[in-house]
Amino acid sequence: DAGITQSPRHKVTETGTPVTLRCHQTENHRYMYWYRQDPGHGLRLIHYSYGVKDTDKGEVSDGYSVSRSKTEDFLLTLESATSSQTSVYFCAITPGTGLNTEAFFGQGTRLTVV
Amino acid sequence: QKEVEQNSGPLSVPEGAIASLNCTYSDRGSQSFFWYRQYSGKSPELIMSIYSNGDKEDGRFTAQLNKASQYVSLLIRDSQPSDSATYLCAVGNYGQNFVFGPGTRLSVLP
Repeated sequence: DAGITQSPRHKVTETGTPVTLRCHQTENHRYMYWYRQDPGHGLRLIHYSYGVKDTDKGEVSDGYSVSRSKTEDFLLTLESATSSQTSVYFCAITPGTGLNTEAFFGQGTRLTVV
Repeated sequence: QKEVEQNSGPLSVPEGAIASLNCTYSDRGSQSFFWYRQYSGKSPELIMSIYSNGDKEDGRFTAQLNKASQYVSLLIRDSQPSDSATYLCAVGNYGQNFVFGPGTRLSVLP
């Protein structure tokens, strides 16, 4: 157990509304990530963080923002949800730095935008 | 654009057989390679990591890496129905940004 908790686990929201997903870790790891997973695309990186207030964009960042005001929490916000953002969202951490890094994932959040 | 490719499957093998899963990647600078198992509706679970050319064995699992050919594979010996899952290949570098393949769905038939 990598000590990662995602909330909520399931959410249905309407098009155009803002949505915030939370990732909480208990072990003070520096690096945290948000991925989305869609059929045929695998896991794609949305945003990642390398420390408090230090974040950067991933491959599919349009329409998403993130914040990290505390080491343990990494928030993903869909500013105005669209149906194309219906997906399963995974938070991950990498305990190490450099070459020998292995990612560990939270349980996932299934988001449906109607 | 860095790419990681896998056959989507499904790959079907009989119980007790060897399952062979393959992955190719485009970034020659890649340094770290991982295999994840993902059961339906669950999160990915790390099962193997490999960093050097050659084979790495862990129980029934063997990862094989060939950097010259930009190829990494996972062999599962004595396949069990509980091995039925989607297997994700992930490739990383010092920049910490992994690239995942789309996954291969494995079905082990009793």
